[in-house]
Amino acid sequence: EPEVTQTPSHQVTQMGQEVILRCVPISNHLYFYWYRQILGQKVEFLVSFYNNEISEKSEIFDDQFSVERPDGSNFTLKIRSTKLEDSAMYFCASSNADSSYEQYFGPGTRLTVT
Amino acid sequence: AQSVTQLGSHVSVSEGALVLLRCNYSSSVPPYLFWYVQYPNQGLQLLLKYTSAATLVKGINGFEAEFKKSETSFHLTKPSAHMSDAAEYFCAVRRQDDYKLSFGAGTTVTVRA
Repeated sequence: EPEVTQTPSHQVTQMGQEVILRCVPISNHLYFYWYRQILGQKVEFLVSFYNNEISEKSEIFDDQFSVERPDGSNFTLKIRSTKLEDSAMYFCASSNADSSYEQYFGPGTRLTVT
Repeated sequence: AQSVTQLGSHVSVSEGALVLLRCNYSSSVPPYLFWYVQYPNQGLQLLLKYTSAATLVKGINGFEAEFKKSETSFHLTKPSAHMSDAAEYFCAVRRQDDYKLSFGAGTTVTVRA
């Protein structure tokens, strides 16, 4: 069964460093998403991406964040200058253009900023 | 804006007992509703979804949920808990004209032998 994959599973970085989280969505999906879950808190929407552009973003997704689909398979989330409060589990998801846009999630990348 | 409230952050049931996880939503327009399960060190897996068809929705692993518009609820049930049901469960809502999911805080289920 096709699945969303994410790398790395765990990333440790120092405050102020740039990180890139990588995702490979399901191959025939057209919509891509990033969510995050700070320890002990809700899963929060960050951004959605369709047709090579951002379709929606949350207040959390400020200028420090960017997304890119550099080739036909990868979908990346970049954080330019990480802060302690960026420590969280980051989930990638993808969906197709059916009536419910059911989203399939990857296993997540745990980002720890020290 | 839509939001989701899950009552009870932790539920403990005996093996073979009924599992009931509560979810209430608020939405200005008819929503799509979802239940996801997260096993330790894994991603979110879709259990079931409501997309304005039948109000009683059956999902994987013997779970089902009933959409009750009058109560703005979408509670998840399973008649007989199994040890493998121990996980965290998330209710989520999405507007039909929107992409993003809004999640509840999650309910952790433990199953006692």
